[in-house]
Amino acid sequence: QQPVQSPQAVILREGEDAVINCSSSKALYSVHWYRQKHGEAPVFLMILLKGGEQKGHEKISASFNEKKQQSSLYLTASQLSYSGTYFCGTESGNTGKLIFGQGTTLQVKP
Amino acid sequence: KAGVTQTPRYLIKTRGQQVTLSCSPISGHRSVSWYQQTPGQGLQFLFEYFSETQRNKGNFPGRFSGRQFSNSRSEMNVSTLELGDSALYLCASSPLMTYEQYFGPGTRLTVT
Repeated sequence: QQPVQSPQAVILREGEDAVINCSSSKALYSVHWYRQKHGEAPVFLMILLKGGEQKGHEKISASFNEKKQQSSLYLTASQLSYSGTYFCGTESGNTGKLIFGQGTTLQVKP
Repeated sequence: KAGVTQTPRYLIKTRGQQVTLSCSPISGHRSVSWYQQTPGQGLQFLFEYFSETQRNKGNFPGRFSGRQFSNSRSEMNVSTLELGDSALYLCASSPLMTYEQYFGPGTRLTVT
């Protein structure tokens, strides 16, 4: 079952914050976040394992609510370089099988 | 370390033909996953190999197959190509399960 991401698209000004949500109907073992710029391959941002931990990567952080089967990606003080499509990938069980959401397109304007 | 490499980068085939795509993972990575990316369906999981064994498979018809060699290099094959198979095929390698995946640049397949 494909996880559902929201919103589908967001436009920001530099310095603004954004939150991207990822919701699954299945119990999750892990959630991965990737960013893909136009014409490039997806790039790993972070992985969260069940346990509700929060991780950070520069000004990008994420949380994982295991009970709600949801994860959120937080982008603070956005920069132009943050523009791209963000994908969450979910894993139900320690299987190595990653199912990706449909993606959230983020555009940061000067 | 060299990244994931995929060959060829671009391919044009005709309906009914078959195609083989190749992926060389990062040195030391033993898990290789394949994905199909299209504007309408997004990133869809095809299959995952670890130590030459297919551990996981997505919901694709049997025309899609793959294999992994002892050096962890992987190939995927699509037989009897259909127009709908036109997509970007991405390969990703990972050192172990539930670790970050490193994607290659992809092979752009166009079926005419």
